[in-house]
Amino acid sequence: DTAVSQTPKYLVTQMGNDKSIKCEQNLGHDTMYWYKQDSKKFLKIMFSYNNKELIINETVPNRFSPKSPDKAHLNLHINSLELGDSAVYFCASSRVLAPAYEQYFGPGTRLTVT
Amino acid sequence: GENVEQHPSTLSVQEGDSAVIKCTYSDSASNYFPWYKQELGKRPQLIIDIRSNVGEKKDQRIAVTLNKTAKHFSLHITETQPEDSAVYFCAASIEAAGNKLTFGGGTRVLVKP
Repeated sequence: DTAVSQTPKYLVTQMGNDKSIKCEQNLGHDTMYWYKQDSKKFLKIMFSYNNKELIINETVPNRFSPKSPDKAHLNLHINSLELGDSAVYFCASSRVLAPAYEQYFGPGTRLTVT
Repeated sequence: GENVEQHPSTLSVQEGDSAVIKCTYSDSASNYFPWYKQELGKRPQLIIDIRSNVGEKKDQRIAVTLNKTAKHFSLHITETQPEDSAVYFCAASIEAAGNKLTFGGGTRVLVKP
């Protein structure tokens, strides 16, 4: 059984398009995250939701819009895609906000913008 | 905000030898320090973590040490095996601030048989 799943696994699209990535966790966790891993493997948090409430919103272009319809799902919509958006996007979840617990990562979505 | 630096960026060791990765952090309020392992093309997975009220933690061949005064923590892998080859990330967070993990730049470890 997959704990944190993401769709799609690969996404190839052209500049200017709009795309979405979906994430689901079946661990019963309250908190979910989006991370971006660039070509140099650097991992950086983008957003975090706790019980559907946005609690972390890093300096991310407003072309990126997360949405959490319920505790088990966190989606990421990206408008007007740019070349620099090419990266691997990881969704993660953790049990609660505090105390800090392990964050379980999804398999990642490799986004390539051409 | 928090800044985490990680060294070295690459590390090559002979099978059976030890590997040590070091991280420093900038925010003295950080109190949770996990280490993640990422194999090629896979997701990051937690291998060990430590909280600021503990100076050392060990789990089989893996150990982590924390020096709060100097604001640095280290990962030690003993008796390395080829399956230890991966990218390792340290991270730091303030538990009361949304468990926001700030990651180091990663260390690519290659264990040569």
